[in-house]
Amino acid sequence: DGGITQSPKYLFRKEGQNVTLSCEQNLNHDAMYWYRQDPGQGLRLIYYSQIVNDFQKGDIAEGYSVSREKKESFPLTVTSAQKNPTAFYLCASSPRGIEAFFGQGTRLTVV
Amino acid sequence: KQEVTQIPAALSVPEGENLVLNCSFTDSAIYNLQWFRQDPGKGLTSLLLIQSSQREQTSGRLNASLDKSSGRSTLYIAASQPGDSATYLCAVRPFGNEKLTFGTGTRLTIIP
Repeated sequence: DGGITQSPKYLFRKEGQNVTLSCEQNLNHDAMYWYRQDPGQGLRLIYYSQIVNDFQKGDIAEGYSVSREKKESFPLTVTSAQKNPTAFYLCASSPRGIEAFFGQGTRLTVV
Repeated sequence: KQEVTQIPAALSVPEGENLVLNCSFTDSAIYNLQWFRQDPGKGLTSLLLIQSSQREQTSGRLNASLDKSSGRSTLYIAASQPGDSATYLCAVRPFGNEKLTFGTGTRLTIIP
């Protein structure tokens, strides 16, 4: 099936650890995105990539890092520098200038 | 910087009513606008995409309009059903890049 796959669905992080969230798409889309959603709030853009080997910071990039080595993959690393990482993380992809599609999200909790 | 606002933040209406959700944006130089719905704990589902050259788009009971000059879009839902209960979000894309900016969402509850 075509679509966007985020894994894992739930993730637990200890204080001071880095964790990586996976996002894979088989839709052949150029653009990919990472958003963060806190309870009762809208989506805030962390990073986005318009093409392989290129990405731009969004509005809340501090404490996060990404890579785009392959068109179908856009992993997000939540580093220990992110002081409040507990949130729902959403990945999306779109063809250039066209409709965006979302994965089912990863819920990250700091324990 | 583009700011996108959705008012009201929450709305409850009886089943069967027609309703309108609002989306406002500060920079009218948009390439397109997209409406999504989100069920609790889930990802976003795309509903409608309106290109900047279009005035409206329709899909089933949903109709979205776009007025770039006033920086507004509306999502009209006809004959509402309990299954329409969800959070509805709008997002705008500017010319020249792929950055999507989201509104804060409207949580809709349809009362049976």
